[in-house]
Amino acid sequence: EAGVTQFPSHSVIEKGQTVTLRCDPISGHDNLYWYRRVMGKEIKFLLHFVKESKQDESGMPNNRFLAERTGGTYSTLKVQPAELEDSGVYFCASSQDQAWTYEQYFGPGTRLTVT
Amino acid sequence: GNSVTQMEGPVTLSEEAFLTINCTYTATGYPSLFWYVQYPGEGLQLLLKATKADDKGSNKGFEATYRKETTSFHLEKGSVQVSDSAVYFCALIIQGAQKLVFGQGTRLTINP
Repeated sequence: EAGVTQFPSHSVIEKGQTVTLRCDPISGHDNLYWYRRVMGKEIKFLLHFVKESKQDESGMPNNRFLAERTGGTYSTLKVQPAELEDSGVYFCASSQDQAWTYEQYFGPGTRLTVT
Repeated sequence: GNSVTQMEGPVTLSEEAFLTINCTYTATGYPSLFWYVQYPGEGLQLLLKATKADDKGSNKGFEATYRKETTSFHLEKGSVQVSDSAVYFCALIIQGAQKLVFGQGTRLTINP
């Protein structure tokens, strides 16, 4: 069974540009999560999808971030326009059911560098 | 609010040394506790977990005990190997919630 995959593995962009990160969850997992680790600090929750619906987007830092999950399969996270403080590692995770009782499986992350 | 505090890293040990990575938490509800590990070039992997007080999670020689009285979940291993070199994250999730709350991570390097 394939794990959670993320693309690209690394992206370097200039301030003001746009970047789109992609996450493919484990097949059959309705729950998809985005997290972010900035500057070696703690990993922070961004948002949670159940199928194509946003269940919780309380962790999204501002309106420069837009997440979508059309069709309830893969998800994209767009940052537009990117700022220096957006640099970090963006993790995606998926779970079969509600996370309280089911393990969240993480992807390898996308390292975003904004210069 | 909910938060997790881990010991500052990086931690460097020699092979076969005893390892402890401290983790304490603050929670508004009743949490489950986790240790995740990130090996170089890989994603986060669940290492072990405990869902109620006094439970002990264990895997790959690592152990951690859920201590409600001290709000702690310290990670221990009796004899580390070079292959244990990784970043370790302590985390919690509140019952009924959907999001993990992580500590800042501890980078562990084991020298042969």
